[in-house]
Amino acid sequence: EAQLVESGGGLVQPGGSLRLSCAASGFTFSNYYMHWVRQAPGKGLVWVSRTNREGSTTDYADSVKGRFTMSRDNAKNTLYLQMNSLRAEDTAVYHCARGHSYGYGVDIWGQGTMVTVSS
Amino acid sequence: QSALTQPASVSGSPGQSITFSCTGTSSDVGGYSYVSWYQQHPGKAPKLMIFDVSDRPSGVSNRFSGSKSGNTASLTISGLQAEDEADYYCSSYTSSSTYVFGTGTKVTVL
Repeated sequence: EAQLVESGGGLVQPGGSLRLSCAASGFTFSNYYMHWVRQAPGKGLVWVSRTNREGSTTDYADSVKGRFTMSRDNAKNTLYLQMNSLRAEDTAVYHCARGHSYGYGVDIWGQGTMVTVSS
Repeated sequence: QSALTQPASVSGSPGQSITFSCTGTSSDVGGYSYVSWYQQHPGKAPKLMIFDVSDRPSGVSNRFSGSKSGNTASLTISGLQAEDEADYYCSSYTSSSTYVFGTGTKVTVL
């Protein structure tokens, strides 16, 4: 069964950094585009970033461009999100998610890891 | 990257059909056949219900269907059931090679 498990969330001060990880299992990780999506408490889903199968091309939402860096290690079946210059508005549950094999949806989601930016 | 516009809430009785919208622009919904829909129950991860406007992933009930006209996509739930009560989000690929989600619709089964 395909599964994604995020880790690395926590409490960080404004301006600080945090690195999230997402461990993939149950599928051939290197065959899929991967995404990060976040959801602030009580709010809607917000797309954050996407990377291609090789990790050579990555796109970002304007709200995180220049501050967040998405990467992947296909040998370790792991996705990463390096978050720098964090702001209060980055507080959210961060989900990693798998792109559909041939469509433009996201078909497998992790349960998410909570990131709280506060002094 | 403004969020796609969805009605805040929709309700229906068991067995009824409901349809709700997702409105974007020619740079997202109107420009591509890459609209997807997600169901999210409280405290749970989202679940893909529809991708590429009208395709259903394996295992998703055929009571769920999607369509698109111009800059507006729609999700229809037929034969409404209690388990369909959840939040629903649309999403679209955009001309900036990014994605955008909708504001979300809370479906209530009366």
